[in-house]
Amino acid sequence: QVQLQESGPGLVKPSQTLSLTCTVSGDSISNSRYYWSWIRQSAGKGLEWIGRIYTSGTTHYNPSLKSRVTISVDMSNNQFSLKLGSVTAADTAVYYCAGELVSYKYYFDYWGQGTLVTVSS
Amino acid sequence: DIQMTQSPSSLSASVGDRVTITCQASQDISNSLNWYQQKPGRAPKLLIYDASNLETGVPSRFSGSGSGTDFTFSISSLQPEDVATYYCQQYDIVPLTFGGGAKVEIK
Repeated sequence: QVQLQESGPGLVKPSQTLSLTCTVSGDSISNSRYYWSWIRQSAGKGLEWIGRIYTSGTTHYNPSLKSRVTISVDMSNNQFSLKLGSVTAADTAVYYCAGELVSYKYYFDYWGQGTLVTVSS
Repeated sequence: DIQMTQSPSSLSASVGDRVTITCQASQDISNSLNWYQQKPGRAPKLLIYDASNLETGVPSRFSGSGSGTDFTFSISSLQPEDVATYYCQQYDIVPLTFGGGAKVEIK
């Protein structure tokens, strides 16, 4: 049973950097069938894909956030991370990490429970 | 970016009713479309992949159809446990994008 768990500060000050980590258990993050993604959801709103990383280190980012986002992977700890810089109140959201199957089928197969990050002074 | 437009944004139906939600892509995405169910406080759950394939373990009252730019998601007989918000998602081109969601309630 694959499980994902987000961790990180629940409160970030405006203009600072939001940092979250997703720990993957039950499978290796080096599994070549998966991209590892970050997705967020603002209160009462829909889902916004932030970006993803592959085991090779290849990344894809949403152009709307690209200038502020970095996604990295830590193979030794089976984790991947999100950094979002220069945050504002508009970045307040529930942040999900997810595993996207990309082998013959293409969908978000595994999700973390989500973590609320509030941007406020 | 490919824009995904869902309608209606919310609906209320009786138990046993057939419910239909549509999703329109701003350009041709072939069948590169998935449908997810999200209940309050929970992460989304995959129901349908590749526009019309039922994920293993998902009840057969859920179905999907369509290709190109127009897609449909249906619940053949609405059950109380189906109260949720439903999202379409395209994976044809990065950035991956979701529809705005359709909230389904019981009348």
